[in-house]
Amino acid sequence: KAGVTQTPRYLIKTRGQQVTLSCSPISGHRSVSWYQQTPGQGLQFLFEYFSETQRNKGNFPGRFSGRQFSNSRSEMNVSTLELGDSALYLCASSLGDESFGGETQYFGPGTRLLVL
Amino acid sequence: AQSVTQPDIHITVSEGASLELRCNYSYGATPYLFWYVQSPGQGLQLLLKYFSGDTLVQGIKGFEAEFKRSQSSFNLRKPSVHWSDAAEYFCAVGEDYKLSFGAGTTVTVRA
Repeated sequence: KAGVTQTPRYLIKTRGQQVTLSCSPISGHRSVSWYQQTPGQGLQFLFEYFSETQRNKGNFPGRFSGRQFSNSRSEMNVSTLELGDSALYLCASSLGDESFGGETQYFGPGTRLLVL
Repeated sequence: AQSVTQPDIHITVSEGASLELRCNYSYGATPYLFWYVQSPGQGLQLLLKYFSGDTLVQGIKGFEAEFKRSQSSFNLRKPSVHWSDAAEYFCAVGEDYKLSFGAGTTVTVRA
């Protein structure tokens, strides 16, 4: 079974631009989560989607948004990019059948975003 | 909210020696605990998880972890380290459809 895939793998943008990252979950998984990883702040939760509904959101500004499609694929968007948005953005999927926190999340390789 | 603390930022160990990585959690009830490993430039790979039951959990790559409620700890161990174990290790707790991660411990393996 194919793992979680994320596209693109690398991205360079300039301040003020916007960016859209894509995530395809493992087949059969209906929950998709997004995390931001930076050297200074570590791994931080952005949001989680299940059946096209956001069930939880982390403490990020409104410039960070996401959505999930009916096939469980997910996108996240960052508008008006800032230098501090440079990070590795990780997507994870899980079955989504159980009340979380116990589900195992499977991570993709990430999208590395550099904002100049 | 639940949280985890990994007291050690960096650990250096000789190949073939044992390894123990510390993780302390903060939560009133029995937590859902995970250990993940991240190699350079890669995503996170699950090593093992604890939900309930036997407090000694076996994972992949020869790793194990022990849940100790009295010490609020979930330490990761490996009896004999291989050079390929050099990576960053993250302890995490699950709650409300998200994982909360510790700051991570970088493991360096010397020959």
